[in-house]
Amino acid sequence: DAKTTQPPSMDCAEGRAANLPCNHSTISGNEYVYWYRQIHSQGPQYIIHGLKNNETNEMASLIITEDRKSSTLILPHATLRDTAVYYCIVSPSGQNFVFGPGTRLSVLP
Amino acid sequence: GAGVSQSPSNKVTEKGKDVELRCDPISGHTALYWYRQSLGQGLEFLIYFQGNSAPDKSGLPSDRFSAERTGGSVSTLTIQRTQQEDSAVYLCASSLGRGTSGRWYEQFFGPGTRLTVL
Repeated sequence: DAKTTQPPSMDCAEGRAANLPCNHSTISGNEYVYWYRQIHSQGPQYIIHGLKNNETNEMASLIITEDRKSSTLILPHATLRDTAVYYCIVSPSGQNFVFGPGTRLSVLP
Repeated sequence: GAGVSQSPSNKVTEKGKDVELRCDPISGHTALYWYRQSLGQGLEFLIYFQGNSAPDKSGLPSDRFSAERTGGSVSTLTIQRTQQEDSAVYLCASSLGRGTSGRWYEQFFGPGTRLTVL
């Protein structure tokens, strides 16, 4: 299964774009990239997923490099409520998702 | 519609006692997952149910842990002879499983059960 690497923490000013990177250099051709986040004391929340093309929804944008070895989650206008741990996951060959340590994003006023 | 619910929200028990944690998934979701999260740690996969298939129990940490999913809906996670290291938040999630394209549908998580073993 492809593993992911994320920075342990990042800061972002409120109102600015938050760009969260993820490396998944061993990803295989049929594996999707998923992003979830976990706000303190809550269960994780799905954000977005993608395979090859860039994706956008009401929460975020996902930019996947052409070689698919890395991706970036973009929160275009971060708010204080976006402070959370963000998990980048590459879909496994089995059923179980591996939620690594993620990136702790702190949005600062 | 209703999301994933879990009960109890908090459980305090004494070492050596058995506990049962309940999960009510979203109606129509065929897949159900159990995870646990120790304080300040990431999620640890425990077990996965998909329809009528045999569950994936590869994440269960010991034979003290077991889970059932009755009628393809409600699930119960049972921990026998609890130990202090079992203290954690136990999270349940449900989803539509895996699509024909190979994509895994998003998981919807419940609020969790905080288990404290004294």
